[in-house]
Amino acid sequence: DVKVTQSSRYLVKRTGEKVFLECVQDMDHENMFWYRQDPGLGLRLIYFSYDVKMKEKGDIPEGYSVSREKKERFSLILESASTNQTSMYLCASSFRTYNEQFFGPGTRLTVL
Amino acid sequence: QKEVEQNSGPLSVPEGAIASLNCTYSDRGSQSFFWYRQYSGKSPELIMFIYSNGDKEDGRFTAQLNKASQYVSLLIRDSQPSDSATYLCAVNKSQGGSEKLVFGKGTKLTVNP
Repeated sequence: DVKVTQSSRYLVKRTGEKVFLECVQDMDHENMFWYRQDPGLGLRLIYFSYDVKMKEKGDIPEGYSVSREKKERFSLILESASTNQTSMYLCASSFRTYNEQFFGPGTRLTVL
Repeated sequence: QKEVEQNSGPLSVPEGAIASLNCTYSDRGSQSFFWYRQYSGKSPELIMFIYSNGDKEDGRFTAQLNKASQYVSLLIRDSQPSDSATYLCAVNKSQGGSEKLVFGKGTKLTVNP
C-alpha cells in the first residue's frame, strides 16, 4: 500500500512565523502535490513537483514556496504565515501525473 | 463553466437504497476520472478510477463514464450509514505541457439508518 505521511496533524503558529510542512511518500512516486482545503472552496492546488528539484505553480502559489531535494520528500514553506493561511493542508503523490493521487492524513494549520 | 462540477448536496438516502452521485467536466481532452471519499476531518481516499466509456464495477460501487456528454457518475448500491461522507470527483487536465487533477467541490452524502 502507498503510504504518504505528513509531519504534523495539527500545528499552531503565529503571524509572521516561517512554517515548514513536510511530506514523505514511500512508493517511489515521481509526482508530489500540495493542496489546501477550505469549506466551500474545495481542494486547491498550491504547488506540484514532477521530479527532484523540479516544481510548478498550481492555482494558488502566492505566499508559499516548496522544496524537493529528494524524490520521497516534498516540503511546503510559508515564508511569513498570515491568518488567511489557516487551513487544512494535504499532500499527495502519484506515479504519473494522470494517475490516481494518494493523500496523506493532512495538517490542520492555525495561524494566530 | 466550472472545470469540474458536482451537486453540493446534501444528498440523503435511506439505508439499502442506491445513491447516485454525478459530475460533469469541461475539458474534452480529459482521459482519467477518479472518485474519492472523504470522511469529516479526514483526507480523501480513492474509491475508483475509470478511463474508458461505460461502466466499471467494484463491489457495491459502479463508476459510469460518458465522454460524449462529459459526464461521470458513481452509484453506490445497498447504501450503508458508513457510506456517509463527501464524495469528490477528480478529472485530469493538461495545461502548459504538464498534467494535474482538477477536483470538484464534492457532494455530501448522508445514509439514514
